[in-house]
Amino acid sequence: LAKTTQPISMDSYEGQEVNITCSHNNIATNDYITWYQQFPSQGPRFIIQGYKTKVTNEVASLFIPADRKSSTLSLPRVSLSDTAVYYCLVGDMWNTGFQKLVFGTGTRLLVSP
Amino acid sequence: DTGVSQDPRHKITKRGQNVTFRCDPISEHNRLYWYRQTLGQGPEFLTYFQNEAQLEKSRLLSDRFSAERPKGSFSTLEIQRTEQGDSAMYLCASSRGEGSEQYFGPGTRLTVT
Repeated sequence: LAKTTQPISMDSYEGQEVNITCSHNNIATNDYITWYQQFPSQGPRFIIQGYKTKVTNEVASLFIPADRKSSTLSLPRVSLSDTAVYYCLVGDMWNTGFQKLVFGTGTRLLVSP
Repeated sequence: DTGVSQDPRHKITKRGQNVTFRCDPISEHNRLYWYRQTLGQGPEFLTYFQNEAQLEKSRLLSDRFSAERPKGSFSTLEIQRTEQGDSAMYLCASSRGEGSEQYFGPGTRLTVT
């Protein structure tokens, strides 16, 4: 599975847009990019997944350039409740075998008033 | 909306004792996963079930660890002769099948004294 690199931590203020970039230079053709969010003492929660270009849902956008060697999770107008750890994962999510998720250390986002 | 549930949420045990954790997946999900998470790290894969069959085990799962999913529904993870290094959050996740996202439970926090 492709290794990912993310910033260890980020700080923001309420109402700002936050962009978290993930590097995955060794991404394979069949790999998808998936982001999870984790609050303290809770399990991770799926945020968004994409393969290329841009994906948007009700909570976030995912931007993937043409070479797919990086991706950016964009959180619009963050609130205090967005303070969490965000994980970028890369893998073949459509593999007919099992889907072992490989988490890195994630990015700790702190949103302040 | 019944998500993945885990019991107990917290367990404190003395070194050398055996502990057992339970995971109840989302009812229509046939895949079930166990992960372990230590402080400051992302979750690490332990093992995976497709229905009642255990199809993959990580090298992290030593001989002291055993997992079962007897009827393809709930699963148990047992740790025998616990060690202080076993202290961690044990997370369970389930998914519908290939290509579908994994839904995580709240985890069981184990403290071995």
